[in-house]
Amino acid sequence: AQTVTQSQPEMSVQEAETVTLSCTYDTSESDYYLFWYKQPPSRQMILVIRQEAYKQQNATENRFSVNFQKAAKSFSLKISDSQLGDAAMYFCAYRSGWANFGNEKLTFGTGTRLTIIP
Amino acid sequence: EADIYQTPRYLVIGTGKKITLECSQTMGHDKMYWYQQDPGMELHLIHYSYGVNSTEKGDLSSESTVSRIRTEHFPLTLESARPSHTSQYLCASSEGQGGNIQYFGAGTRLSVL
Repeated sequence: AQTVTQSQPEMSVQEAETVTLSCTYDTSESDYYLFWYKQPPSRQMILVIRQEAYKQQNATENRFSVNFQKAAKSFSLKISDSQLGDAAMYFCAYRSGWANFGNEKLTFGTGTRLTIIP
Repeated sequence: EADIYQTPRYLVIGTGKKITLECSQTMGHDKMYWYQQDPGMELHLIHYSYGVNSTEKGDLSSESTVSRIRTEHFPLTLESARPSHTSQYLCASSEGQGGNIQYFGAGTRLSVL
């Protein structure tokens, strides 16, 4: 079974600075997807960024980028120019690349609570 | 924000009551999911559906049941609520053909006294 580990329960960063959230995972599969989801207080969880394991290039979405190290099974999220609206719980998640019945569920880490200091 | 809605947002009830948590999506997604999330904890899949009349249990054992009579609707029912059911319940949906992004509702926070 796949597991996802987020070793930082809480992180804080000064507004406008850069912060990196860590995520490691364990799998025997070669084809899979990795995600970072953001869950603001009392609001919907939304997708921040997605990485396909067969792609070498790290995904980037505006101020959000990942450092995907497949051999090390590491998938960190970098947030540049942090803004107050970035304050949230961030969850790393894994999904198998095999689109068989039952494989499309997400396996989540325990989350990292990010605080932005004005 | 995604077009997936959960009601109620908050629910406080007494032990033994029957409750139904509603989840609806207007995106025409075939696949829908229910997750349970305890405070400060990761999400655990408790039910999923691949389409109408298709439901399966997830990784975390749950006393709840689900139904999928219409594509857009995926309600979760607890026949007899207990304090151990106190948690947040999140509903999600994704596309049926090759899609792998799950869209989440805002959640229902359930407290059973």
